[in-house]
Amino acid sequence: GQQLNQSPQSMFIQEGEDVSMNCTSSSIFNTWLWYKQDPGEGPVLLIALYKAGELTSNGRLTAQFGITRKDSFLNISASIPSDVGIYFCAGQLNAGNMLTFGGGTRLMVKP
Amino acid sequence: NAGVTQTPKFQVLKTGQSMTLQCAQDMNHNSMYWYRQDPGMGLRLIYYSASEGTTDKGEVPNGYNVSRLNKREFSLRLESAAPSQTSVYFCASSITRTTGELFFGEGSRLTVL
Repeated sequence: GQQLNQSPQSMFIQEGEDVSMNCTSSSIFNTWLWYKQDPGEGPVLLIALYKAGELTSNGRLTAQFGITRKDSFLNISASIPSDVGIYFCAGQLNAGNMLTFGGGTRLMVKP
Repeated sequence: NAGVTQTPKFQVLKTGQSMTLQCAQDMNHNSMYWYRQDPGMGLRLIYYSASEGTTDKGEVPNGYNVSRLNKREFSLRLESAAPSQTSVYFCASSITRTTGELFFGEGSRLTVL
Protein backbone atom coordinates (compact mmCIF):
# COMPACT_ATOMS: atom_id res chain seq x y z
CA GLY A 1 0.00 0.00 0.00
CA GLN A 2 0.91 3.65 0.01
CA GLN A 3 3.59 4.75 2.43
CA LEU A 4 4.12 8.10 4.10
CA ASN A 5 7.59 8.72 5.50
CA GLN A 6 7.91 11.25 8.27
CA SER A 7 11.18 12.77 9.37
CA PRO A 8 12.69 13.13 11.74
CA GLN A 9 11.29 10.22 13.75
CA SER A 10 12.03 12.11 16.95
CA MET A 11 13.53 15.38 18.02
CA PHE A 12 14.58 16.85 21.35
CA ILE A 13 14.74 20.62 21.34
CA GLN A 14 15.14 23.52 23.72
CA GLU A 15 12.12 25.62 24.61
CA GLY A 16 11.94 28.65 22.34
CA GLU A 17 13.48 26.93 19.32
CA ASP A 18 11.70 26.59 16.00
CA VAL A 19 10.82 23.11 14.75
CA SER A 20 10.56 21.73 11.22
CA MET A 21 9.29 18.32 10.20
CA ASN A 22 8.20 16.83 6.93
CA CYS A 23 6.27 14.05 5.32
CA THR A 24 7.00 12.50 1.93
CA SER A 25 5.20 10.03 -0.27
CA SER A 26 6.01 8.03 -3.38
CA SER A 27 2.59 8.89 -4.80
CA ILE A 28 0.46 12.00 -4.86
CA PHE A 29 -2.20 13.08 -2.43
CA ASN A 30 -4.80 15.78 -2.99
CA THR A 31 -5.33 16.50 0.70
CA TRP A 32 -2.74 16.65 3.44
CA LEU A 33 -3.55 16.83 7.15
CA TRP A 34 -1.48 17.22 10.29
CA TYR A 35 -2.58 15.76 13.61
CA LYS A 36 -1.03 16.02 17.07
CA GLN A 37 -1.27 13.35 19.74
CA ASP A 38 -0.66 14.43 23.32
CA PRO A 39 0.66 11.71 25.65
CA GLY A 40 -2.15 9.34 26.59
CA GLU A 41 -4.68 11.02 24.30
CA GLY A 42 -6.09 10.57 20.83
CA PRO A 43 -4.86 12.59 17.83
CA VAL A 44 -6.31 16.05 17.27
CA LEU A 45 -6.44 17.78 13.90
CA LEU A 46 -4.10 20.77 13.66
CA ILE A 47 -4.20 21.83 10.02
CA ALA A 48 -5.81 20.59 6.80
CA LEU A 49 -4.40 21.50 3.36
CA TYR A 50 -6.45 21.15 0.18
CA LYS A 51 -4.45 22.78 -2.60
CA ALA A 52 -0.94 22.21 -3.91
CA GLY A 53 1.33 25.05 -2.81
CA GLU A 54 -1.05 26.11 -0.05
CA LEU A 55 0.51 27.59 3.08
CA THR A 56 -1.73 27.62 6.15
CA SER A 57 -1.13 28.84 9.70
CA ASN A 58 -2.75 27.99 13.01
CA GLY A 59 -1.17 30.13 15.72
CA ARG A 60 2.51 29.20 15.95
CA LEU A 61 2.04 26.33 13.50
CA THR A 62 2.49 26.66 9.76
CA ALA A 63 1.98 23.85 7.28
CA GLN A 64 2.60 23.68 3.55
CA PHE A 65 1.21 21.45 0.82
CA GLY A 66 4.12 20.64 -1.48
CA ILE A 67 3.92 21.67 -5.13
CA THR A 68 4.56 18.12 -6.32
CA ARG A 69 1.67 16.90 -4.10
CA LYS A 70 4.05 14.26 -2.75
CA ASP A 71 5.10 16.07 0.38
CA SER A 72 4.03 18.36 3.19
CA PHE A 73 5.85 20.32 5.86
CA LEU A 74 4.99 21.47 9.37
CA ASN A 75 6.81 24.22 11.22
CA ILE A 76 6.36 25.23 14.84
CA SER A 77 7.78 28.56 15.93
CA ALA A 78 9.03 29.40 19.42
CA SER A 79 8.32 25.96 20.90
CA ILE A 80 6.84 25.64 24.39
CA PRO A 81 6.61 22.61 26.71
CA SER A 82 3.00 21.86 25.73
CA ASP A 83 4.14 21.24 22.14
CA VAL A 84 5.38 17.84 23.38
CA GLY A 85 3.69 14.95 21.62
CA ILE A 86 3.62 12.95 18.43
CA TYR A 87 2.86 14.75 15.17
CA PHE A 88 1.27 12.70 12.41
CA CYS A 89 0.85 13.61 8.80
CA ALA A 90 -1.95 12.02 6.80
CA GLY A 91 -2.70 12.01 3.10
CA GLN A 92 -5.97 11.51 1.27
CA LEU A 93 -5.93 10.85 -2.45
CA ASN A 94 -9.51 11.95 -3.16
CA ALA A 95 -12.60 12.72 -1.10
CA GLY A 96 -13.94 9.45 0.19
CA ASN A 97 -10.62 7.64 0.11
CA MET A 98 -9.29 6.49 3.44
CA LEU A 99 -6.43 8.35 5.06
CA THR A 100 -2.87 7.10 4.94
CA PHE A 101 -0.93 8.06 8.07
CA GLY A 102 2.79 8.57 8.51
CA GLY A 103 4.68 6.92 11.35
CA GLY A 104 4.84 10.13 13.37
CA THR A 105 7.46 12.58 14.64
CA ARG A 106 7.91 12.51 18.40
CA LEU A 107 8.72 15.99 19.74
CA MET A 108 10.27 16.54 23.13
CA VAL A 109 10.84 20.04 24.50
CA LYS A 110 13.31 20.83 27.24
CA PRO A 111 12.22 23.77 29.42
CA ASN B 1 -19.61 17.96 25.24
CA ALA B 2 -17.89 14.54 25.31
CA GLY B 3 -17.04 14.10 21.59
CA VAL B 4 -15.90 10.49 21.04
CA THR B 5 -15.97 8.19 24.06
CA GLN B 6 -14.30 4.77 24.17
CA THR B 7 -14.53 2.03 26.77
CA PRO B 8 -12.65 0.37 28.30
CA LYS B 9 -9.47 2.45 28.45
CA PHE B 10 -7.33 -0.52 29.46
CA GLN B 11 -7.80 -4.27 29.07
CA VAL B 12 -5.64 -7.34 29.52
CA LEU B 13 -6.71 -10.55 27.81
CA LYS B 14 -5.37 -14.05 27.53
CA THR B 15 -4.85 -15.56 24.10
CA GLY B 16 -8.14 -16.92 22.78
CA GLN B 17 -10.40 -14.71 24.90
CA SER B 18 -12.94 -12.43 23.30
CA MET B 19 -13.87 -8.84 24.03
CA THR B 20 -15.69 -5.86 22.60
CA LEU B 21 -14.48 -2.28 22.51
CA GLN B 22 -17.29 0.24 22.66
CA CYS B 23 -17.36 3.65 21.00
CA ALA B 24 -19.95 6.40 21.04
CA GLN B 25 -19.99 9.90 19.53
CA ASP B 26 -22.33 12.76 20.34
CA MET B 27 -21.53 15.02 17.36
CA ASN B 28 -24.20 13.60 15.04
CA HIS B 29 -21.49 12.39 12.66
CA ASN B 30 -22.37 9.96 9.90
CA SER B 31 -19.06 8.10 9.64
CA MET B 32 -17.11 6.20 12.26
CA TYR B 33 -13.79 4.37 12.21
CA TRP B 34 -11.60 1.99 14.19
CA TYR B 35 -7.83 2.37 13.99
CA ARG B 36 -4.96 0.61 15.70
CA GLN B 37 -1.71 2.33 16.62
CA ASP B 38 1.55 0.44 16.88
CA PRO B 39 4.95 2.04 17.58
CA GLY B 40 6.47 3.65 14.49
CA MET B 41 3.63 2.50 12.24
CA GLY B 42 1.23 5.37 12.58
CA LEU B 43 -2.48 4.63 12.55
CA ARG B 44 -3.88 1.80 10.48
CA LEU B 45 -7.55 1.51 9.63
CA ILE B 46 -9.26 -1.69 10.78
CA TYR B 47 -12.89 -1.09 9.79
CA TYR B 48 -15.10 1.86 9.07
CA SER B 49 -18.76 2.68 8.80
CA ALA B 50 -19.55 5.34 6.22
CA SER B 51 -23.10 5.69 7.49
CA GLU B 52 -25.55 3.96 9.79
CA GLY B 53 -26.23 0.46 8.52
CA THR B 54 -22.98 0.03 6.56
CA THR B 55 -19.55 -1.29 7.47
CA ASP B 56 -16.45 -1.90 5.36
CA LYS B 57 -13.00 -3.37 5.80
CA GLY B 58 -9.98 -1.16 6.14
CA GLU B 59 -6.32 -1.98 5.80
CA VAL B 60 -6.01 -4.55 8.62
CA PRO B 61 -9.42 -6.20 9.25
CA ASN B 62 -8.33 -9.79 9.94
CA GLY B 63 -9.27 -11.00 13.44
CA TYR B 64 -11.84 -8.24 14.01
CA ASN B 65 -15.55 -7.69 13.55
CA VAL B 66 -17.57 -4.51 13.92
CA SER B 67 -21.15 -3.47 14.51
CA ARG B 68 -22.70 -0.08 13.80
CA LEU B 69 -25.36 -0.31 16.45
CA ASN B 70 -26.96 3.04 15.60
CA LYS B 71 -25.76 6.43 14.41
CA ARG B 72 -23.96 7.12 17.68
CA GLU B 73 -22.31 3.76 18.42
CA PHE B 74 -19.71 1.64 16.66
CA SER B 75 -18.21 -1.39 18.40
CA LEU B 76 -15.12 -3.48 17.63
CA ARG B 77 -15.01 -7.15 18.59
CA LEU B 78 -12.08 -9.49 18.93
CA GLU B 79 -13.48 -13.02 18.78
CA SER B 80 -10.28 -14.89 19.68
CA ALA B 81 -7.56 -12.51 20.79
CA ALA B 82 -3.95 -13.06 19.71
CA PRO B 83 -0.73 -11.44 21.00
CA SER B 84 -0.39 -9.67 17.62
CA GLN B 85 -3.52 -7.71 18.54
CA THR B 86 -1.75 -6.04 21.45
CA SER B 87 -2.07 -2.38 20.50
CA VAL B 88 -3.74 0.91 21.23
CA TYR B 89 -7.12 1.16 19.55
CA PHE B 90 -8.71 4.46 18.54
CA CYS B 91 -12.24 5.12 17.52
CA ALA B 92 -12.86 8.19 15.35
CA SER B 93 -15.76 9.91 13.67
CA SER B 94 -16.30 12.42 10.88
CA ILE B 95 -19.22 14.36 9.47
CA THR B 96 -19.11 12.31 6.29
CA ARG B 97 -16.76 9.71 4.84
CA THR B 98 -15.45 12.15 2.23
CA THR B 99 -13.53 14.29 4.69
CA GLY B 100 -10.18 13.52 6.26
CA GLU B 101 -11.02 15.67 9.26
CA LEU B 102 -11.46 13.05 11.96
CA PHE B 103 -12.28 13.36 15.64
CA PHE B 104 -10.61 10.72 17.78
CA GLY B 105 -11.40 9.17 21.14
CA GLU B 106 -8.80 8.86 23.88
CA GLY B 107 -7.84 5.31 22.98
CA SER B 108 -8.11 1.82 24.47
CA ARG B 109 -4.88 0.04 25.38
CA LEU B 110 -5.21 -3.70 24.88
CA THR B 111 -2.65 -6.27 25.96
CA VAL B 112 -3.00 -9.91 24.90
CA LEU B 113 -0.86 -12.35 26.85
